[in-house]
Amino acid sequence: AQSVTQPDIHITVSEGASLELRCNYSYGATPYLFWYVQSPGQGLQLLLKYFSGDTLVQGIKGFEAEFKRSQSSFNLRKPSVHWSDAAEYFCAVVGDTGRRALTFGSGTRLQVQP
Amino acid sequence: GAGVSQSPRYKVAKRGQDVALRCDPISGHVSLFWYQQALGQGPEFLTYFQNEAQLDKSGLPSDRFFAERPEGSVSTLKIQRTQQEDSAVYLCASSFTGGSNTGELFFGEGSRLTVL
Repeated sequence: AQSVTQPDIHITVSEGASLELRCNYSYGATPYLFWYVQSPGQGLQLLLKYFSGDTLVQGIKGFEAEFKRSQSSFNLRKPSVHWSDAAEYFCAVVGDTGRRALTFGSGTRLQVQP
Repeated sequence: GAGVSQSPRYKVAKRGQDVALRCDPISGHVSLFWYQQALGQGPEFLTYFQNEAQLDKSGLPSDRFFAERPEGSVSTLKIQRTQQEDSAVYLCASSFTGGSNTGELFFGEGSRLTVL
């Protein structure tokens, strides 16, 4: 069965600092990987997705993520964090066959200090 | 509509009451998903529709949970005889294509259910 682990429950960074949120997945075949952001009172918004091809994917709001098959990881990065990036971030996976629903990690809450 | 709309946004129910949560997906979207998000957790899959067909209901936690999408657009998630452990935010998502691995999912803001 597919699963996602986000080892960091809560991260605090200073505004302007770089950010990396970790995500490890478990899936036997080719995974489709996603990062979503959830701001208070808002629905989940897709930041970026990886299906195939270039392992470094660019998303909205200046985010990027790198797929590393050897490490079963899909870490999210941003070179310079803005105060508006404070939110909950979820990594998700779905397999290319079988169940069509996303499996989400438990999330990482990002706090941005001025 | 412009986005996925869910109602009610907040619902307080007494234990044992039945509740119904509505999801109005983006017009023309084929796929519709329901998720349950407990406090401090990621969303957990409940069920999936492609048009009016319920293709996967493996995530429904008990037979007290029932979902329908009779005309392939609006969907209702019904919870009978609510229990305290049903307290959560219920998220609805839709996609233009079939299945979340082929297209972007658009999420509603959720319905927060509190069972007293």
